[in-house]
Amino acid sequence: RKEVEQDPGPFNVPEGATVAFNCTYSNSASQSFFWYRQDCRKEPKLLMSVYSSGNEDGRFTAQLNRASQYISLLIRDSKLSDSATYLCVVNSGGYQKVTFGTGTKLQVIP
Amino acid sequence: NAGVTQTPKFRVLKTGQSMTLLCAQDMNHEYMYWYRQDPGMGLRLIHYSVGEGTTAKGEVPDGYNVSRLKKQNFLLGLESAAPSQTSVYFCASRGLADNTGELFFGEGSRLTVL
Repeated sequence: RKEVEQDPGPFNVPEGATVAFNCTYSNSASQSFFWYRQDCRKEPKLLMSVYSSGNEDGRFTAQLNRASQYISLLIRDSKLSDSATYLCVVNSGGYQKVTFGTGTKLQVIP
Repeated sequence: NAGVTQTPKFRVLKTGQSMTLLCAQDMNHEYMYWYRQDPGMGLRLIHYSVGEGTTAKGEVPDGYNVSRLKKQNFLLGLESAAPSQTSVYFCASRGLADNTGELFFGEGSRLTVL
């Protein structure tokens, strides 16, 4: 089983739709969680951290379920500019124990 | 603000040739990392450094060497390139006092080994 698993997609959604991505992790001792965004042929950039209580940043909501060992990202009112690959990132402790998921590709269609 | 800069951005090598990728960061970050990204594999850690003069192996270190002689620079060397090393290489850095855990990435270096 991979340490971090994501549905690769692609998710093709119309503008204005709500879309949700899930990510599961295998190490129950994982400490911190993040969502990164990666545009085609570009470097990954931090989208948001994921806190136990859940957190929201504009149209984006991230949630963590430690019992089931998954994190989620919800995007409301999708924009064309949201088209990208979303990477789930899990830190299992220490500066080197950062594991990236393979990413979920989102395509927002006009 | 330059952030993290990688050179070169593109390179084509023949099997057996050697080369060095340079990563430079101007944020005074302690931690630096080299990742490779392949289709369907996600980012995999090659080597990392927790400070000047220190390096350590990551998940896929074979065939690569690194050096961190200066805090701002982290070099990745390929001693004898193989086609399996065709990939996109990303350098990243993170600050010691940064409790967000955010990694700052360079723009990537696309390497093709023929």
